[in-house]
Amino acid sequence: DIQMTQSPSSLSASVGDRITITCRASQDISDYLAWFQQKPGKAPKSLIYAASTLHSGVPSKFSGSGSGTDFTLTISSLQPEDFATYYCQQYDTYPLTFGPGTTVDVK
Amino acid sequence: DVHLVESGGGLVQPGRSLRLSCEASGFTFDDYAMHWVRQAPGKGLEWVSGISWNSDRIGYADSVKGRFSISRDNAKNSLYLHMNSLRPEDTAFYFCAKGRKYHSLSPFDNWGQGTLVTVSP
Repeated sequence: DIQMTQSPSSLSASVGDRITITCRASQDISDYLAWFQQKPGKAPKSLIYAASTLHSGVPSKFSGSGSGTDFTLTISSLQPEDFATYYCQQYDTYPLTFGPGTTVDVK
Repeated sequence: DVHLVESGGGLVQPGRSLRLSCEASGFTFDDYAMHWVRQAPGKGLEWVSGISWNSDRIGYADSVKGRFSISRDNAKNSLYLHMNSLRPEDTAFYFCAKGRKYHSLSPFDNWGQGTLVTVSP
């Protein structure tokens, strides 16, 4: 199975900060990488697929990059609604696997 | 708008069975792959199973293989998860998610709100 890791596991930031989350796959997954946002008590929300393509309606402050095994999610200017947990996921191979998540909270 | 509504969760004893349903609306259901994802309380997301548009490609997480079975009824716009031999570690919120394409190795776009399954004596 493909293992997904994320760093950091948590980070504290302020409104207006630019933050970057890293996701690493245990083997080459090309660009079959997605990012999700989840707030407490809510269903996940799909942000990005194909490593860098935003889903419809996702604001452009979110961006993704990478290919192969190393990927990043960047939020250019953190807003109050962005404090949440972020997960990466590979959909290259069964079983699909998620990273353990990165929680972004208020500094 | 896409709507996915899960149902069928509840309290069940270890070793028993349960069937979850996901009713879809707002899109042409039989054009898209579908998935189940679960989340134990306070834990991360775990993909459970996925099914292609015509059910010819199905996958399972190792943790549920041989116990859970995914199916779909395109005439009823519905996705199912048949869960047998339930264990306490299966306790979780179960979400259904829609794929962006017909094949099951495609990214998710929409999610349901989830249904809680609690496995306890």
